[in-house]
Amino acid sequence: QKEVEQDPGPLSVPEGAIVSLNCTYSNSAFQYFMWYRQYSRKGPELLMYTYSSGNKEDGRFTAQVDKSSKYISLFIRDSQPSDSATYLCAMREGNTGNQFYFGTGTSLTVIP
Amino acid sequence: GAVVSQHPSWVICKSGTSVKIECRSLDFQATTMFWYRQFPKQSLMLMATSNEGSKATYEQGVEKDKFLINHASLTLSTLTVTSAHPEDSSFYICSARDSKGLGYTFGSGTRLTVV
Repeated sequence: QKEVEQDPGPLSVPEGAIVSLNCTYSNSAFQYFMWYRQYSRKGPELLMYTYSSGNKEDGRFTAQVDKSSKYISLFIRDSQPSDSATYLCAMREGNTGNQFYFGTGTSLTVIP
Repeated sequence: GAVVSQHPSWVICKSGTSVKIECRSLDFQATTMFWYRQFPKQSLMLMATSNEGSKATYEQGVEKDKFLINHASLTLSTLTVTSAHPEDSSFYICSARDSKGLGYTFGSGTRLTVV
C-alpha cells in the first residue's frame, strides 16, 4: 500500500464549478499536510499548508484535514480556466522530518 | 518569498555524456536541498537529500555514482547525471529548505532528454 493515495483523474469541470480534490494516507504520524499546484513542465508551487486536523481557507481555496479518517481535501470555489493544472497533495511527519510523501497528482481542466 | 532558481529548464544530451543541473536559493540560505525525479503522470520521487558541506543521502535504489550531488555552499546545489542513458530522461526538480526550517520551496524543474 502506498503511503499516500490520490486519484489521478483527469478531472474536467465547467468554469465556476466547485472542485473537490482528495487524498488518503496510511501513516498516522503525518502532521503536516500540503497542497501543491503544478503547471505543465514547471515545478510545484505551494497552495495550502495545514498542521494537524481542521480547515484552512485562502481565497477560493479551502483545505480540510481529517486525521481520524486519514483523509485530506482541497476545495476550489468558482473555478477558473487558470486553475487548470495538476494538484499534488503532500505530507510529512514532523517539523524536523525532511521526507515529503506525495500523491500522484490529480490533473484538473476547467473548461471556459 | 523564498525563490529557488533551477537551471537549465530543459536539456537534450547524447547517450553516454554527463549533464549538470544547478539549483540556487536566491534570497535565503538553504541548509538542506532535495532532488526529485518525476516521470510523466507520476508523482515526485525523492532521489537524495543534501546538506551543505556534507555528503548527500541517497534514497534506496538511486545510484550515487550515477547521480552526483554537490552542495558546496548555502545557496547552491548541483546534480550531475553521469553517463546518461535514455532511461534517465525525466523531469528533475530540486527543493530547498530555508535555514529557519519553516518552509520548502521548489525549483521550476529541468526536463532532461537523453537521445
